[in-house]
Amino acid sequence: EDQVTQSPEALRLQEGESSSLNCSYTVSGLRGLFWYRQDPGKGPEFLFTLYSAGEEKEKERLKATLTKKESFLHITAPKPEDSATYLCAVQGHSGAGSYQLTFGKGTKLSVIP
Amino acid sequence: NAGVMQNPRHLVRRRGQEARLRCSPMKGHSHVYWYRQLPEEGLKFMVYLQKENIIDESGMPKERFSAEFPKEGPSILRIQQVVRGDSAAYFCASSPSSGRGEQFFGPGTRLTVL
Repeated sequence: EDQVTQSPEALRLQEGESSSLNCSYTVSGLRGLFWYRQDPGKGPEFLFTLYSAGEEKEKERLKATLTKKESFLHITAPKPEDSATYLCAVQGHSGAGSYQLTFGKGTKLSVIP
Repeated sequence: NAGVMQNPRHLVRRRGQEARLRCSPMKGHSHVYWYRQLPEEGLKFMVYLQKENIIDESGMPKERFSAEFPKEGPSILRIQQVVRGDSAAYFCASSPSSGRGEQFFGPGTRLTVL
């Protein structure tokens, strides 16, 4: 069974204070690892897909990296508008898991002005 | 360029009533997924559908829940005889024809069972 664990559960940062969010996973053959952003009362917003260890992707102040066991979402010089819950999900190769996304519980990020 | 659309956004039902949740995928997407988010829990997969076909319903409760994606019109998630434990946010996602890869989510329907 695919599993995703995110840490920390919550993170408070001062504006401009860079940090990283962690996503540890176990999956029977990784098809893809996904990062989403979710604001209160809204649906998850797609950020990145990573497919293989060593891959990196960037978007504005966010950078996602992937190893064989975990992924990091690095936030550089965050702003208050970066406050949200960040979700990590995996999609595996085998059977039913090849369609469904398995999500972690998320990291709630608060950026204080 | 409309994204995934869900309605209603909020739904209140009394115990024993039926709830119908609708989802229209992004234009050009033919694959629909339903997820449920319970308070303090992560998103959980329920069902994956293509037009007129249920591909994977391994996450659906065995009773009271059903889903369809007809040839014409939106996908429907139906919950019969709702109970308080069904109160949750229900999200629909869609993807392009590959059926794998990133999924794009709608705003969700928040179901409250009184």
